[in-house]
Amino acid sequence: AQSVSQHNHHVILSEAASLELGCNYSYGGTVNLFWYVQYPGQHLQLLLKYFSGDPLVKGIKGFEAEFIKSKFSFNLRKPSVQWSDTAEYFCAVKNQAGTALIFGKGTTLSVSS
Amino acid sequence: GAVVSQHPSWVICKSGTSVKIECRSLDFQATTMFWYRQFPKQSLMLMATSNEGSKATYEQGVEKDKFLINHASLTLSTLTVTSAHPEDSSFYICSARDSAGANVLTFGAGSRLTVL
Repeated sequence: AQSVSQHNHHVILSEAASLELGCNYSYGGTVNLFWYVQYPGQHLQLLLKYFSGDPLVKGIKGFEAEFIKSKFSFNLRKPSVQWSDTAEYFCAVKNQAGTALIFGKGTTLSVSS
Repeated sequence: GAVVSQHPSWVICKSGTSVKIECRSLDFQATTMFWYRQFPKQSLMLMATSNEGSKATYEQGVEKDKFLINHASLTLSTLTVTSAHPEDSSFYICSARDSAGANVLTFGAGSRLTVL
């Protein structure tokens, strides 16, 4: 069965620090990959997605992610985080049937000002 | 943009009662909706796929008689937690995919269920 692993459970950074959150998936076929963010008290929002093409995907709020097929990875990056980036970040992959998303356990990002 | 509304946002009930949670797509039609469950500090776990006009598809380990799903129209899916127990307390989140073809899920704000 497909699975998604997020290596970092909790990341604490100072403002302006660079961010990279790891995400690995298990499925070896064609994948659709997503990063969602959940701000405190709010619902999930899509940050970015990868379906095909350029493996470097740019999303909203200055986030980007790179799909590396050989490493089964889709890490999320941001060059300079802000206090407002404090949130829970979820990596997800569409399941083999193409009907739903499988989520990683999530990474809590805390940014101190 | 696409909006998915869930109601109620928080419900507290007594053990043994049944609770219904609604998920509505407000400005688009969704032949498929998904129900997820999120425990504190944990990820979302897919419970079932709700298909308009047909039976829901449940993930392994999810009791279909416990979590009744009805997708009566293209804009409404309901999840009924039957004979709720304290261990059913959780955050239930629905999502929907626009039937017009957008390949992205839109999530509702979630419904918190507390069973006393």
